[in-house]
Amino acid sequence: EVQLVESGGGFIQSGGSLRLSCAASGFTVSNNYMTWVRQAPGKGLEWVSIIYNTGTTYYADSVRGRFTVSRDNSNNTVYLQMNSLRGEDTAVYFCARDMILRGVIIRGFDSWGQGTLVTVSS
Amino acid sequence: SYEVTQPPSLSVSPGQTANITCSGDTLGDKYICWYQQKPGQSPVLVIFQDNKRPSGIPERFSGSNSGNTATLTISGTQAVDEADYYCQTWDSSTASYVFGTGTKVTVL
Repeated sequence: EVQLVESGGGFIQSGGSLRLSCAASGFTVSNNYMTWVRQAPGKGLEWVSIIYNTGTTYYADSVRGRFTVSRDNSNNTVYLQMNSLRGEDTAVYFCARDMILRGVIIRGFDSWGQGTLVTVSS
Repeated sequence: SYEVTQPPSLSVSPGQTANITCSGDTLGDKYICWYQQKPGQSPVLVIFQDNKRPSGIPERFSGSNSGNTATLTISGTQAVDEADYYCQTWDSSTASYVFGTGTKVTVL
């Protein structure tokens, strides 16, 4: 069974740093595209970052230069290092897996974690 | 950056058809996914590649995409379908994923 479990959220002062973790089971993260999506309280979904199976990474304009996505293949875990946090970064952060169908990357997310809440005090 | 917009809300009577739209410049040239999100829960993929349903998604969910508009159709809407719905696409020019603004569907 595919499962994603996020952790590491919490309350942090503006300007601080936090590292989120996404532990995967039932599949291998290094063979997949893994993404982070966030949702501010009462707001919509916002794509944050992705790490490809090749290790290539991409970021939303709103976080580029402050956030870094990485993975630990031995622990089958994806991370999001968040620096220089701002009030507008307050959100539930989800990790998700990009769907693969018959070897094709679908560019849509078929498995999601439960999310972890990050609250940045400004 | 690429943007896609959705109507904020939609009301539908039980048993009727709900059409949720998603608009963006030449959206029909891109693939669209749709997600259902209930309060306090993670999103669930209900449509991918414009009109395909993942395993376990009821047949009453269908999709289309042409021109500047993609549509998620819920036929014979049920009370359990009350949720927020988001469209999503991938912008190849920036290698970024884009979510629509979301539509709250109320069944009453």
